[in-house]
Amino acid sequence: AQSVTQLDSQVPVFEEAPVELRCNYSSSVSVYLFWYVQYPNQGLQLLLKYLSGSTLVKGINGFEAEFNKSQTSFHLRKPSVHISDTAEYFCAVSEIHNAGKSTFGDGTTLTVKP
Amino acid sequence: DTGVSQDPRHKITKRGQNVTFRCDPISEHNRLYWYRQTLGQGPEFLTYFQNEAQLEKSRLLSDRFSAERPKGSFSTLEIQRTEQGDSAMYLCASSLVPSGGSYEQYFGPGTRLTVT
Repeated sequence: AQSVTQLDSQVPVFEEAPVELRCNYSSSVSVYLFWYVQYPNQGLQLLLKYLSGSTLVKGINGFEAEFNKSQTSFHLRKPSVHISDTAEYFCAVSEIHNAGKSTFGDGTTLTVKP
Repeated sequence: DTGVSQDPRHKITKRGQNVTFRCDPISEHNRLYWYRQTLGQGPEFLTYFQNEAQLEKSRLLSDRFSAERPKGSFSTLEIQRTEQGDSAMYLCASSLVPSGGSYEQYFGPGTRLTVT
């Protein structure tokens, strides 16, 4: 079984500041890792994913994340945020050999202030 | 490709009534998933289908819940004898497997259920 912990439930930042949203996971097997974004009244949208290879992955809207196997973390970063980045962000994992479902964290609300 | 659609978007029902939700996945996707999301939490897995076969069900899915995917296309999720604790957002997602191994899921906008 897997579990996902998003370490911050709310992250307020000012526009153009950098941001990091933290995600730790637990699994006894190898996993795929995902970050999704959910804007108000919309469905979840994939930001980026780690499957294998380079531990630094780049996604849409200028976001990137780094997979750290030893620390079982997959933190999401953006060097300069915009007002439009205000949303709920979810980290998720899927077992590589049983990727029929994803286990999600409880989400981090990113609020970008002018 | 119009994405994953769900109907209705909102449903208000009285306790004890039955409700049914529909999900239309992306047309070429063979896997379809149902999740439930309550306020302040991430989506929780309920069940998934590969084509018309239901491959896994969560312990969260009590006997009052049933899901079907006839002909491997759209899916329905029915809740019988609704309880106030069933109030949540019900999310549907689909994916194409195999797809280079990514199992990336595409989500619909959800159906918000309120049980009064």
